[in-house]
Amino acid sequence: KNQVEQSPQSLIILEGKNCTLQCNYTVSPFSNLRWYKQDTGRGPVSLTIMTFSENTKSNRRYTATLDADTKQSSLHITASQLSDSASYICVVNRDDNNNDMRFGAGTRLTVKP
Amino acid sequence: EAEVAQSPRYKITEKSQAVAFWCDPISGHATLYWYRQILGQGPELLVQFQDESVVDDSQLPKDRFSAERLKGVDSTLKIQPAELGDSAMYLCASSLGQAGGTTQYFGPGTRLLVL
Repeated sequence: KNQVEQSPQSLIILEGKNCTLQCNYTVSPFSNLRWYKQDTGRGPVSLTIMTFSENTKSNRRYTATLDADTKQSSLHITASQLSDSASYICVVNRDDNNNDMRFGAGTRLTVKP
Repeated sequence: EAEVAQSPRYKITEKSQAVAFWCDPISGHATLYWYRQILGQGPELLVQFQDESVVDDSQLPKDRFSAERLKGVDSTLKIQPAELGDSAMYLCASSLGQAGGTTQYFGPGTRLLVL
């Protein structure tokens, strides 16, 4: 069973609208959590990284939240653009080294004009 | 901006044939990773190098997969013989070190199709 579950599996929204992607994890211990954006046919690109003590972090129109108690994270995209169409992958790092990273299956976001 | 280079970008082969993928990490990055990503799923780690040494290859199917990073710079991943189930995207990533806060930078991937 995957220890990092993402929802929804796919999402279609209209340009300009906001959306929120969810990531629930059961990974333990916990070091940090990252959100990656992966364009079709490309490698993932890191959007944010959050450690245990961080509740929210923003990167332009992306805002990530983390609740380490409930082991939930979300990625909120504001004023979506066509270029936001991609897969968004949640990755949880179990230790202080990049030796034990658990990847979610991703949420496929499509932004339509 | 420096990028991780991979080649080829696409590869079509028949089962039982041998295939090889090449990765050139960002200059100065000591840690290199090979991932396999099946369509619709997240990447899974195959092998991790620190310089020229293997740190983790526990998920690498060693009966058919091999990886090397002889001089601690570029790396090659080989599959011999390829099987139908090997069809996937093979991603290479690199980072300055292994520390958990260190960002991994991914290459564009090699899309493999085994017929």
